[in-house]
Amino acid sequence: GQNIDQPTEMTATEGAIVQINCTYQTSGFNGLFWYQQHAGEAPTFLSYNVLDGLEEKGRFSSFLSRSKGYSYLLLKELQMKDSASYLCAVLDSNYQLIWGAGTKLIIKP
Amino acid sequence: GAVVSQHPSRVICKSGTSVKIECRSLDFQATTMFWYRQFPKQSLMLMATSNEGSKATYEQGVEKDKFLINHASLTLSTLTVTSAHPEDSSFYICSARGTSGDFSYEQYFGPGTRLTVT
Repeated sequence: GQNIDQPTEMTATEGAIVQINCTYQTSGFNGLFWYQQHAGEAPTFLSYNVLDGLEEKGRFSSFLSRSKGYSYLLLKELQMKDSASYLCAVLDSNYQLIWGAGTKLIIKP
Repeated sequence: GAVVSQHPSRVICKSGTSVKIECRSLDFQATTMFWYRQFPKQSLMLMATSNEGSKATYEQGVEKDKFLINHASLTLSTLTVTSAHPEDSSFYICSARGTSGDFSYEQYFGPGTRLTVT
């Protein structure tokens, strides 16, 4: 079956750095997405990786290793507004998005 | 970027009534739209995938006669929850996928509809 694993919850301190990991086993791979979702709101797009390596976009970076079935989202200079759930999703061979359960990130002052 | 709207944002209805939720892509044509349901503190659950002009494909366990989906145009899809019951209370989110663009398989999400059935 298809499976995406990410930690359920993480806690970090304002101003610090946090890395949220995602491992996947899917039927085919056509890219990996990271979305941010604040409580009571719809997800918003953060990043898309289809090739191995690191993609940097401001305070957020996303890394992909296709051979390892592994990705991480790196958040730097954490702000209180970064408290949210972070969803990892893989586009499979049928171009369907397979969603992880999400990682709830709690930022403490 | 691509914008998707959803209406209404919140709705409260009585048990046994039907509720229609609209999802519109405002500045692009969406050949495919997705309907998700999300219960509190849980991840997104895909309910169905709809392609313009054809019948929706429902995920296992989702009753197609209860959740009616119509994707009549490239910018509009509707989800009708028929004979709603309290257990249908949830956050319903639609997303749309365009026909072209940098990420032609990226899904653009609407703001969601909070349904409460009393």
